[in-house]
Amino acid sequence: GENVEQHPSTLSVQEGDSAVIKCTYSDSASNYFPWYKQELGKRPQLIIDIRSNVGEKKDQRIAVTLNKTAKHFSLHITETQPEDSAVYFCAAPQATTSGTYKYIFGTGTRLKVLA
Amino acid sequence: DVKVTQSSRYLVKRTGEKVFLECVQDMDHENMFWYRQDPGLGLRLIYFSYDVKMKEKGDIPEGYSVSREKKERFSLILESASTNQTSMYLCASSFLKWVQPQHFGDGTRLSIL
Repeated sequence: GENVEQHPSTLSVQEGDSAVIKCTYSDSASNYFPWYKQELGKRPQLIIDIRSNVGEKKDQRIAVTLNKTAKHFSLHITETQPEDSAVYFCAAPQATTSGTYKYIFGTGTRLKVLA
Repeated sequence: DVKVTQSSRYLVKRTGEKVFLECVQDMDHENMFWYRQDPGLGLRLIYFSYDVKMKEKGDIPEGYSVSREKKERFSLILESASTNQTSMYLCASSFLKWVQPQHFGDGTRLSIL
């Protein structure tokens, strides 16, 4: 089955610096590769995703890159702010026999932005 | 705005009890999911459902079952609760059956004593 590895598990950056979180996956399913943000005590929120036929996607200070050959995708946050502090999860698709997909999550990265 | 509502925020049950966790979404979404979240393990998929009365096992289905009698409601059932099922349970939904979870509920923190 799908195996998703996420690194690093914790990351501290100074406010204004960039943060990069990386995930590797094993399945070859072609679909969306999403990223979620979970603030303390709150529900996970989908913040960005990338389609498997796209190499990069950007949304303001957040960008995601996908390398299908190497089977890894990364989340880039530029000009970090204290409100970016949260746990971030990646997820990767695994095709099922019923023609749908299940999404396997990474173990999360705790990002701390220091003011 | 899509709303995914889980019936309880906190729940305490005893070993051996049958436990029902309810989840309702209000946007006619096709897909619904149940995950459990444990520190250091991320979110692990228990079951998901891409249509009414359809269900598919996730990665950790043992000890759980699900029910989807209506499109908007997806129930997780712990047949005979055990202490290792103490966890945070998250329900999620997505508009189309092949896309990722798009909206999560607030979660149910379940303690089995």
